[in-house]
Amino acid sequence: NAGVTQTPKFQVLKTGQSMTLQCAQDMNHEYMSWYRQDPGMGLRLIHYSVGAGITDQGEVPNGYNVSRSTTEDFPLRLLSAAPSQTSVYFCASNPGQGRFTNYGYTFGSGTRLTVV
Amino acid sequence: AQTVTQSQPEMSVQEAETVTLSCTYDTSESDYYLFWYKQPPSRQMILVIRQEAYKQQNATENRFSVNFQKAAKSFSLKISDSQLGDAAMYFCASPGSARQLTFGSGTQLTVLP
Repeated sequence: NAGVTQTPKFQVLKTGQSMTLQCAQDMNHEYMSWYRQDPGMGLRLIHYSVGAGITDQGEVPNGYNVSRSTTEDFPLRLLSAAPSQTSVYFCASNPGQGRFTNYGYTFGSGTRLTVV
Repeated sequence: AQTVTQSQPEMSVQEAETVTLSCTYDTSESDYYLFWYKQPPSRQMILVIRQEAYKQQNATENRFSVNFQKAAKSFSLKISDSQLGDAAMYFCASPGSARQLTFGSGTQLTVLP
């Protein structure tokens, strides 16, 4: 059971480049989320999904796109990278639906992104 | 907007001693859990303990326990018999909109040998 898998683990981009951070989970979880972690600010929600075909914005969505065509995958796209998007990105999943939502989220190992 | 406040950016504790990390939260959910996550230098987010808000009894997981004061919206983490492996960043989290987690800014715990 791999849990939540994120790729790549590290990435350096030039300003203006685009890229996709991949996230996959094999636990048949309905809920998936993307967070970014910056020093002194904890984790902030970028986008989330409560099921295939359903996505919504979190606290800091600007500059990012998501889609959820399958239950397993939830990629995060940076449209035109900016230095302000230098951060550590985490994908997380949760069983969703009722009481199981309260069991907490399972996190991937993170992607450290640097935009120069 | 839901908020989670951790007022201690850094804490230190002597090995084998006890330390308490503070957290206050604000949520509009009526039935919810609260969580403490640990992030060691490996960067992995590890669930340490969760508390059911409708239960009076404080949750305990081995050396980790919480002091949950629902009326005060306070959710502190107590680590007993601290070990060197407990050194990490600790995040408190509560449910925000659509049951997504809102995190505090974290407390960096140092364990002194």
